[in-house]
Amino acid sequence: NAGVTQTPKFQVLKTGQSMTLQCAQDMNHEYMSWYRQDPGMGLRLIHYSVGAGITDQGEVPNGYNVSRSTTEDFPLRLLSAAPSQTSVYFCASGTNKGGQPQHFGDGTRLSIL
Amino acid sequence: AQKITQTQPGMFVQEKEAVTLDCTYDTSDQSYGLFWYKQPSSGEMIFLIYQGSYDEQNATEGRYSLNFQKARKSANLVISASQLGDSAMYFCAMDQAGTALIFGKGTTLSVSS
Repeated sequence: NAGVTQTPKFQVLKTGQSMTLQCAQDMNHEYMSWYRQDPGMGLRLIHYSVGAGITDQGEVPNGYNVSRSTTEDFPLRLLSAAPSQTSVYFCASGTNKGGQPQHFGDGTRLSIL
Repeated sequence: AQKITQTQPGMFVQEKEAVTLDCTYDTSDQSYGLFWYKQPSSGEMIFLIYQGSYDEQNATEGRYSLNFQKARKSANLVISASQLGDSAMYFCAMDQAGTALIFGKGTTLSVSS
């Protein structure tokens, strides 16, 4: 009954470091996506995937990489962390059946010093 | 490009009163879905209600209803009989070609006793 699991929950990085935010879902959902949430900005789409091996850019993709080698996992990579990437990151998954909501993970709070 | 607009940064309501949170959207797609999510101070994203563009009746889920006016491209959330636990951030969102979501900037609802 895990749903969407994000790790870690909190992370502090130094400028220039790289890291991977993990996201896993156990609902066999086709769609997975990453969002960042900043104060006053709502949630903005970074990257999304409609199935294993298929990814696409969202509204704010710069500085982030993704891959989808399995249905279950959709990691988000920060290549060279910048203070502007300080944010709360949410991963979500969903089915291709119309009218079904996306399921969200609990978020990762990331601070870049 | 698709866009969601929430014009009310903050709303205040007393317990047991009804409140309407506004949402307008812009899309050139004929088929789309509209969602409302609640984000309490603990940070998780909670799905509330869904409206499909071809649904003729307004969606309802318990105390939540969606006032869908397709010609005006609006999808307002109505919460009846507000409770203290309704205090949270509320996001309107639209699916992007049935995959990921585009979010508005959110409305903070404060319910007082």
